[in-house]
Amino acid sequence: NAGVTQTPKFQVLKTGQSMTLQCAQDMNHEYMSWYRQDPGMGLRLIHYSVGAGITDQGEVPNGYNVSRSTTEDFPLRLLSAAPSQTSVYFCASSYSLAGGKETQYFGPGTRLLVL
Amino acid sequence: DQQVKQNSPSLSVQEGRISILNCDYTNSMFDYFLWYKKYPAEGPTFLISISSIKDKNEDGRFTVFLNKSAKHLSLHIVPSQPGDSAVYFCAASDGGGADGLTFGKGTHLIIQP
Repeated sequence: NAGVTQTPKFQVLKTGQSMTLQCAQDMNHEYMSWYRQDPGMGLRLIHYSVGAGITDQGEVPNGYNVSRSTTEDFPLRLLSAAPSQTSVYFCASSYSLAGGKETQYFGPGTRLLVL
Repeated sequence: DQQVKQNSPSLSVQEGRISILNCDYTNSMFDYFLWYKKYPAEGPTFLISISSIKDKNEDGRFTVFLNKSAKHLSLHIVPSQPGDSAVYFCAASDGGGADGLTFGKGTHLIIQP
């Protein structure tokens, strides 16, 4: 099992550009989520999904879109990048719908710099 | 308003001694708590968890204690080893839905030889 994979590892964008951060898991997990980590901060939830076709907003959803067309993939889209979105992005997945009670497995992260 | 607080940004401990990392929370709806360990340039990895119906959970060198009345939990690492040097995040969930985890800011543990 590859676990949770994320691409790219690092990306530089100019303000206003769009891009998609990819996340995939091969563990047949129903629950997937996206977090961002900023310096001196904990991880903050952006969006999550409890299964294919179902997504919802987390704590900091503004500026991000998600979709879940398959169980395996959960891409995060930045429609118009802003410097405030400079961060490290982590994707996570777990078996059950109750994402808090089950161990969440994290990907290695995508480091994004918006100029 | 921070619901999960780790008030020590860093902690230095000698190899072989006990490391104690602390975490406080304010949301009384939290009923499940986890500790994650993170090395630089890697994603967090799960370390240990505890349900609110327990006050202690052990896994090898790692023990988590939960004091619900004080809304406080701690992670004990005994004995501390060089590979334990990492950032440790405390996280909490109300478990009632799929709202993900609420994380603290992390404590950077440094194990000195």
